[in-house]
Amino acid sequence: DTEVTQTPKHLVMGMTNKKSLKCEQHMGHRAMYWYKQKAKKPPELMFVYSYEKLSINESVPSRFSPECPNSSLLNLHLHALQPEDSALYLCASSLERGGQYEQYFGPGTRLTVT
Amino acid sequence: AQSVTQLDSHVSVSEGTPVLLRCNYSSSYSPSLFWYVQHPNKGLQLLLKYTSAATLVKGINGFEAEFKKSETSFHLTKPSAHMSDAAEYFCVFSGGSYIPTFGRGTSLIVHP
Repeated sequence: DTEVTQTPKHLVMGMTNKKSLKCEQHMGHRAMYWYKQKAKKPPELMFVYSYEKLSINESVPSRFSPECPNSSLLNLHLHALQPEDSALYLCASSLERGGQYEQYFGPGTRLTVT
Repeated sequence: AQSVTQLDSHVSVSEGTPVLLRCNYSSSYSPSLFWYVQHPNKGLQLLLKYTSAATLVKGINGFEAEFKKSETSFHLTKPSAHMSDAAEYFCVFSGGSYIPTFGRGTSLIVHP
């Protein structure tokens, strides 16, 4: 199994809703990432988990809350989002080889906040 | 500090003509370099990677890239563009950290 899966593919939510994005990989990768991507822009790093511990939080608003229940799963809990949070949310995991890291990306969740 | 520069925000070619997407990097570390492709509303797919082995790297869909240390470059090429190559392309640098650095992206437009 060499893929990262994400659910749902599409999500529409109101500003008062609570929802969660899910990401899963079974490649044994020990680093997992959440990115936010706007159209025609590179992905922006949000969070990184290394060995199931949050190691990077790029000053993301508290309405985004990450969770890593185990080494294969990564969640992103959403609450009270704003319309400007509408974007493609990408999950990735990385394989370490000889001190270098190769990322594998999921297909993304297209989020629309109304 | 490390950085990646994709020199063109847009590249426009005709179907059947060569493709050149340019990427330069800056770092004091030995780099790993990657090219990813992203079709509309899709995730990023790895095209090819350089990790200090062969300097000429072949990837999927006929793409290849050459690592030139003296020029700090890792340009992506393809001999003959296909309509399905139209997408966004990202050059990514990893210098021994698990936090990669992305270039700004290059939109490849292919005309019939």
